[in-house]
Amino acid sequence: QVHLVQSGAEVKKPGASVKVSCKASGYTFTGYYMYWVRQAPGQGLELMGWINPNSGDTNYAQKFQGRVTMTRDTSISTTYMELSRLKSDDTAVFYCARGATVTRPPFSSFDLWGQGTLVTVSS
Amino acid sequence: EIVMTQSPATLSVSPGARATLSCRASQSVGSNLAWYQQKPGQAPRLLIYGASTRATDIPTRFSGSGSGTEFTLTISSLQSEDFAVYYCQQYNNWPGTFGQGTKVEIE
Repeated sequence: QVHLVQSGAEVKKPGASVKVSCKASGYTFTGYYMYWVRQAPGQGLELMGWINPNSGDTNYAQKFQGRVTMTRDTSISTTYMELSRLKSDDTAVFYCARGATVTRPPFSSFDLWGQGTLVTVSS
Repeated sequence: EIVMTQSPATLSVSPGARATLSCRASQSVGSNLAWYQQKPGQAPRLLIYGASTRATDIPTRFSGSGSGTEFTLTISSLQSEDFAVYYCQQYNNWPGTFGQGTKVEIE
């Protein structure tokens, strides 16, 4: 069974950072791009960026550049998304989602999603 | 950034009826368009990619059509489990952008 399992909910103060993990199982971790998607409460979906787990290359949406860092640990098939300088409007559910194979361009739909991690930013 | 506009915002449909959801792109995205279903408290689920190809294990009552800037998701006979929010997403240009969603509710 292919799965993406994310870390648990977090509560952070404004200005802090949060690091969310996403552990893959059931497929070749280094074979597929991993994306991160944000969903604010009651709102739509917003793409944050992707990481190539094979090379470590990343690409971030302009809105998040300078605040987001995506990394991976191939030894445990896990990707991480760290968001810094948190603000109250960063309160959201963050999803990891599997994209295309890394042998193709990184533009794709997402066929496998993690369960989501709620990050609450509050003083 | 390509803007994706979905209509209507809410669609009230009776079980067994047909539902037609629309998605418009602010510029051509070719056939690089996906549809997702999201139920409360759950992650999105991929329904359609490449504008018209059903994802694995998606029932045949879901179909997608269109290319360029105009796309449609049709649910031929709504089942109780189909009442949810549906999002379109273009992945032709970076960053891939989503529509704001269409909520399909029971009439």
